[in-house]
Amino acid sequence: QKEVEQDPGPLSVPEGAIVSLNCTYSNSAFQYFMWYRQYSRKGPELLMYTYSSGNKEDGRFTAQVDKSSKYISLFIRDSQPSDSATYLCAMRGGPSGGSNYKLTFGKGTLLTVNP
Amino acid sequence: GAGVSQSPSNKVTEKGKDVELRCDPISGHTALYWYRQSLGQGLEFLIYFQGNSAPDKSGLPSDRFSAERTGGSVSTLTIQRTQQEDSAVYLCASSRSGVDDREQYFGPGTRLTVT
Repeated sequence: QKEVEQDPGPLSVPEGAIVSLNCTYSNSAFQYFMWYRQYSRKGPELLMYTYSSGNKEDGRFTAQVDKSSKYISLFIRDSQPSDSATYLCAMRGGPSGGSNYKLTFGKGTLLTVNP
Repeated sequence: GAGVSQSPSNKVTEKGKDVELRCDPISGHTALYWYRQSLGQGLEFLIYFQGNSAPDKSGLPSDRFSAERTGGSVSTLTIQRTQQEDSAVYLCASSRSGVDDREQYFGPGTRLTVT
């Protein structure tokens, strides 16, 4: 079993839809959880960064972490064609763990928002 | 300000040749990372440099891969005797300090094709 599992999609939704993206993980040492957005032929850019369980909201984006279930989600409200990209979840250990700078990524979910 | 830059953006090489990929991190960032992104795969950690400390090379897939960072700034990833399975996008990232650092800033990547 890979440390981080993410459905690669592709996911296609109409403009204005609510999008739900998810990752599961197996390593209980992970404490920091991130979502990156990657446009075609570009490097990933950080969208959301969360620590511990709960929700974090930033504009149309909400990141959710459930450590008990080892499950994280990213919700996109009122999706726009400009949101079309690959979304990568990433995670790493806490400050007391070794190699806590190393990010472990999911494979990414390709999202297309149709106008 | 300037972000992480990588060169070349694309590289096509014949099997068995050596290649060098270059990364210029954001000025002042002490931590530098190399990742590989293969088709259908997530980002795979390769190597990590932090200041003058010994690099973490634990992600390098074989002894054909090596990297150096000169003067704590520019880094070069070298692949010797390239194989077709080395075809991938090689991404470089930098961050302010590495340990417990929130964001890794990615470059646009070098797309390597081995024919």
